Amino acid sequence: NAGVMQNPRHLVRRRGQEARLRCSPMKGHSHVYWYRQLPEEGLKFMVYLQKENIIDESGMPKERFSAEFPKEGPSILRIQQVVRGDSAAYFCASSPLGPDTGELFFGEGSRLTVL
Amino acid sequence: KNQVEQSPQSLIILEGKNCTLQCNYTVSPFSNLRWYKQDTGRGPVSLTIMTFSENTKSNGRYTATLDADTKQSSLHITASQLSDSASYICVVSAQGQAGTALIFGKGTTLSVSS
Repeated sequence: NAGVMQNPRHLVRRRGQEARLRCSPMKGHSHVYWYRQLPEEGLKFMVYLQKENIIDESGMPKERFSAEFPKEGPSILRIQQVVRGDSAAYFCASSPLGPDTGELFFGEGSRLTVL
Repeated sequence: KNQVEQSPQSLIILEGKNCTLQCNYTVSPFSNLRWYKQDTGRGPVSLTIMTFSENTKSNGRYTATLDADTKQSSLHITASQLSDSASYICVVSAQGQAGTALIFGKGTTLSVSS
């Protein structure tokens, strides 16, 4: 059973470009979470999705950021018109149950660098 | 406000020694407490998860304790190895708060030297 798969592992973008980060959850997991981690900082919650639905996006900036988890295919975190402050590691996690009871399994992260 | 505080922020120990990491939290209503290990450049990996009724839980050389009354947890590492060098993250879960149910500490960075 493969773990949570994230790609790309590393992404470099220039200011103003778009970044798309993909996350395939573990088999059988319908709950997906996205977190952002800045250097020397803890993980910060961004968005929680459950197949085709956004359950909680309270941690996601209102502009330029969007997330989806379609019926088929991976979850995608999309950042439009990137700025240098978007440079960070973005981690995806999945669980078979909701966040307060289900164990979370993390991917290896996607490291975005904005030039 | 739900918060998780970890101490120390960083720690250096010699290989073979034991160490204890601390986690204090103010999270309500409490659901469970988890410890994760995050190697540099990697994703966090679960070590233990404890509910309200569990006082201690072991995973190999890692032993976690939970005192729900004082809202404190500790992670004890026995006979440390170089591969234990990592960030250890305490995560407390609040009941029924959707995506923000998980409150992450900033982690303790452990360096094990030979």
